[in-house]
Amino acid sequence: QKEVEQNSGPLSVPEGAIASLNCTYSDRGSQSFFWYRQYSGKSPELIMFIYSNGDKEDGRFTAQLNKASQYVSLLIRDSQPSDSATYLCAVKEANTGFQKLVFGTGTRLLVSP
Amino acid sequence: GAVVSQHPSWVICKSGTSVKIECRSLDFQATTMFWYRQFPKQSLMLMATSNEGSKATYEQGVEKDKFLINHASLTLSTLTVTSAHPEDSSFYICSARGTQLEIAGMNQPQHFGDGTRLSIL
Repeated sequence: QKEVEQNSGPLSVPEGAIASLNCTYSDRGSQSFFWYRQYSGKSPELIMFIYSNGDKEDGRFTAQLNKASQYVSLLIRDSQPSDSATYLCAVKEANTGFQKLVFGTGTRLLVSP
Repeated sequence: GAVVSQHPSWVICKSGTSVKIECRSLDFQATTMFWYRQFPKQSLMLMATSNEGSKATYEQGVEKDKFLINHASLTLSTLTVTSAHPEDSSFYICSARGTQLEIAGMNQPQHFGDGTRLSIL
């Protein structure tokens, strides 16, 4: 059973701080990793994806991947109250023809003004 | 780009009713669409994978005769919940993946529709 683990939170940070969200996965063969943001009652929205070890930056967001440790993280700089949401880590299953994603249970982020 | 439209947004109906949910990719062709279900405070659970022109692949534990999926074109997939009961009440979300060539063999992202909140009385 492929698993993706996330701390459910909530993770509380003050406005302007850096929020660090973490995710571990069990399938060592996984190659593609995604971070989605989901507001309450809404569907997930793609934030970032990362394929290679190291960091990938997009605006205030940085995704970090360490395949050896089977660990992927998302950093949000200058956190805003509007960033308050649940962040879902998703990992593409290795060796599946249909490109299925396995989702973590999500980490709830609360950014206080 | 990569807009996925899902309709309807809300459905409230009586037990025993069949409900059809549509998922459309508006500005790209989707060879593969995915149907998820999400119960309150839980993560997304994949129900089935739908490929254009072929039968859907269902996840273990999902009844294919109850959740009928049709993917008749590269832009449209439908999920029909047949004879729905209160335990089927959930948030149903579709996603679509484009036909673009993969980058260095890596997976293209899935883009999600806005979801359908289904309430069975």
